[in-house]
Order: sequence, then structure tokens, then C-alpha cells
Amino acid sequence: GAGVSQTPSNKVTEKGKYVELRCDPISGHTALYWYRQSLGQGPEFLIYFQGTGAADDSGLPNDRFFAVRPEGSVSTLKIQRTERGDSAVYLCASSLRGQMNTEAFFGQGTRLTVV
Amino acid sequence: DAKTTQPPSMDCAEGRAANLPCNHSTISGNEYVYWYRQIHSQGPQYIIHGLKNNETNEMASLIITEDRKSSTLILPHATLRDTAVYYCIVRAYGQNFVFGPGTRLSVLP
Repeated sequence: GAGVSQTPSNKVTEKGKYVELRCDPISGHTALYWYRQSLGQGPEFLIYFQGTGAADDSGLPNDRFFAVRPEGSVSTLKIQRTERGDSAVYLCASSLRGQMNTEAFFGQGTRLTVV
Repeated sequence: DAKTTQPPSMDCAEGRAANLPCNHSTISGNEYVYWYRQIHSQGPQYIIHGLKNNETNEMASLIITEDRKSSTLILPHATLRDTAVYYCIVRAYGQNFVFGPGTRLSVLP
């Protein structure tokens, strides 16, 4: 597809369960970002990949959150033992590497609801 | 923390120019100014970015002051569909995009 694709678009899970959120970046984009957004607030940075490696994971709130990008394309954000406070829209973005001023393009997000 | 300061909200009449200010007084020489917007229930949408020269594209114009401590995003003829939250971000290469609370622009008929 032409844009960043995130699946599922909506996910409802019970407290304590494990969830995986998927991001398909724009083809050829080697930088990939995960954000989460709570109602009424701006997106909050979680983690940033350059290729397969996490260049900056300082935004991950705790060790229940983990993200992988094994082949440098698709990324999965994994949340263990979900809590109600994890409910938010999780956004993924991608950008080209090797350019000083490249912009990032965002997907439509996955709305996660923990009940 | 975001390195930018924006007014929390603004109104603009449909068909008029919307001028959205942003202060970034601590900007470094290698940091670019980016603007994104977010329409309700959608992901952020890239608008424009620049380093020190003014920039224009099909969506908007970006005016950066000579000292680079502030900038203005201009939507020349605002429409109802431009109602959104607008985010001003400063970012250097290799850094993530840090979003603040943005400016909620309401375009009024």
C-alpha cells in the first residue's frame, strides 16, 4: 500500500492479557516510530527503529512493553499483562533514512481498549 | 519535553488565512521546524517543514524568523476541513518527533 498500515484498527482485551499490534511501514522506509496517544493529548513517543535495531527506546513506559522489527520492515509492538491504563491509540510512523530533513508519515493507529 | 510553545486554541473564519504561531526559542542550529496536524480520530498528517528559509507547498506556508526562535504556519484560505489540532515540532536528524499539546484550530463558517 501507499501509506503506513496498522492492524488491527481496534482491539479490545481483558486486563492481564497479552496483545500484539502490527505496523507495516511505507516500502523502503527504514526508520520506524511507535507512539501512543491518550484522549485529548498529543502523541507520546515510545520507541524508534533504524533498520532492525532500536535506536531509541527511552519512551517505553516499563518492561511490559516491547517492540521488534526483525527484518527491518514490519514491526510489532507487544504489551504483556495489559492494564486499564494502557488503553490508548497506538500510532506508528515511518520515514526514509539517510536524509537530514525527512518527514515521518503516520498510520491511522490502533485503538486499544483494556477492560 | 516538547521544545515548542503554541497557543492552546485559535478560531479562524472560513476563507480567511489562518496564522498559527509557534515559539522555539531554544532551537539548535541543526534542528528543523516541522508542522503536523491531526484531524479527529485520524493519525497525524505531515504539513511542511523547514530549517531557516521560508517554505511553501500545496497545503501551507511556513515563515521562520531570522533568529529562528519562532515560526508561523499559514493556511492561506482556511476551510472547514482544516479544523484540527496543529503541532509544531523541532527535530534534528536521528531524533524522534516530540509532540506537545498543539493548537486546536477551529474554522468557523
